[in-house]
Amino acid sequence: QKEVEQDPGPLSVPEGAIVSLNCTYSNSAFQYFMWYRQYSRKGPELLMYTYSSGNKEDGRFTAQVDKSSKYISLFIRDSQPSDSATYLCAMNFGNEKLTFGTGTRLTIIP
Amino acid sequence: DAGITQSPRHKVTETGTPVTLRCHQTENHRYMYWYRQDPGHGLRLIHYSYGVKDTDKGEVSDGYSVSRSKTEDFLLTLESATSSQTSVYFCAIRGQGVGEAFFGQGTRLTVV
Repeated sequence: QKEVEQDPGPLSVPEGAIVSLNCTYSNSAFQYFMWYRQYSRKGPELLMYTYSSGNKEDGRFTAQVDKSSKYISLFIRDSQPSDSATYLCAMNFGNEKLTFGTGTRLTIIP
Repeated sequence: DAGITQSPRHKVTETGTPVTLRCHQTENHRYMYWYRQDPGHGLRLIHYSYGVKDTDKGEVSDGYSVSRSKTEDFLLTLESATSSQTSVYFCAIRGQGVGEAFFGQGTRLTVV
């Protein structure tokens, strides 16, 4: 069983819809939770990070962590075609190494 | 790309040949990483470095070696390339923020 599970998609939604992306994890020792966005043929870039359970908002993006369920989510409001990318969750123990999910490929249809 | 350059960007090589990929950073960051990205597996850590001549293994290090003789350069070597090492390889440096890593553009390696 992988430490971090993420549905690979692909996921297609119409422009303006709310998108929900999710990851589950098995190791309760993970402390920090990140979302990276990766455009086609580019390297990933950090979108958001959270530490504790609860929500963190940044513009149209909201990251949610539920440590009791070992479940993290990324919500995108008012989705735009420019949000079309692969979204990878990542987490670590507070050390230098990140453990990534497989990524979910998202397409926003104009 | 936060001053990270990977070379080459694309390479096709034959099974059994040695291959070296280069990562160069202009940010003077201490931590550098090599990942590979494959469908169904996501990003997996191969090796990382926490300083000149200081390196450690990641989760998929078999068949790979690394060297870091200067802060700015981190080399990944496939000693004898195999078809299972066909992948996209990313170099990254650790940023200042929590869980922050800056990635290069990637090297697409095909082993035939």
